[in-house]
Amino acid sequence: SQQGEEDPQALSIQEGENATMNCSYKTSINNLQWYRQNSGRGLVHLILIRSNEREKHSGRLRVTLDTSKKSSSLLITASRAADTASYFCATDYLDDYKLSFGAGTTVTVRA
Amino acid sequence: EAEVAQSPRYKITEKSQAVAFWCDPISGHATLYWYRQILGQGPELLVQFQDESVVDDSQLPKDRFSAERLKGVDSTLKIQPAELGDSAMYLCASSFLRAPGETQYFGPGTRLLVL
Repeated sequence: SQQGEEDPQALSIQEGENATMNCSYKTSINNLQWYRQNSGRGLVHLILIRSNEREKHSGRLRVTLDTSKKSSSLLITASRAADTASYFCATDYLDDYKLSFGAGTTVTVRA
Repeated sequence: EAEVAQSPRYKITEKSQAVAFWCDPISGHATLYWYRQILGQGPELLVQFQDESVVDDSQLPKDRFSAERLKGVDSTLKIQPAELGDSAMYLCASSFLRAPGETQYFGPGTRLLVL
């Protein structure tokens, strides 16, 4: 079963704009990761945030985690056409080593 | 940069036939995962290996699916017989360790279409 749920399901923005997507999960976690998947390809790891962290940055990516609300957000700043992809949050929860993926947010960046 | 290799990339088969997928993880990665991804959904774990041992196959439909990693390196996932509902992307991933927060590296996937 899938632990996380992303919102929105799809997002269309203009190049240069920011894209924000959210992930909610159900049970206590160790870590939350974000992955990107280009159309018809495998997933690529973007960033990990641990349960005791509240915010992390990596290049144009900013991730926040609110464990009290069981939610995370991924912000992509100054979007580019190459950011067009599906983005998935994945959680590993206490006493378990496996990742549970959400259904993903599909982002389209228009030139 | 080292990558996870998968073959074939695409497979079309008729229902009731047998299919097999192959995965070669990144060298040195002890943990190997097989996922199934239905169109429009996130990947769902089918089976997880630590070296040559299965550590989690709770979501593997064992009546028709089998997986092996005989020498603890490459792995094969088999479906026999294939059913229409098996049409999906099959992804292989590997990680250095089996630990919370460990990054998983994914292959390009095998897209299966069952007719």
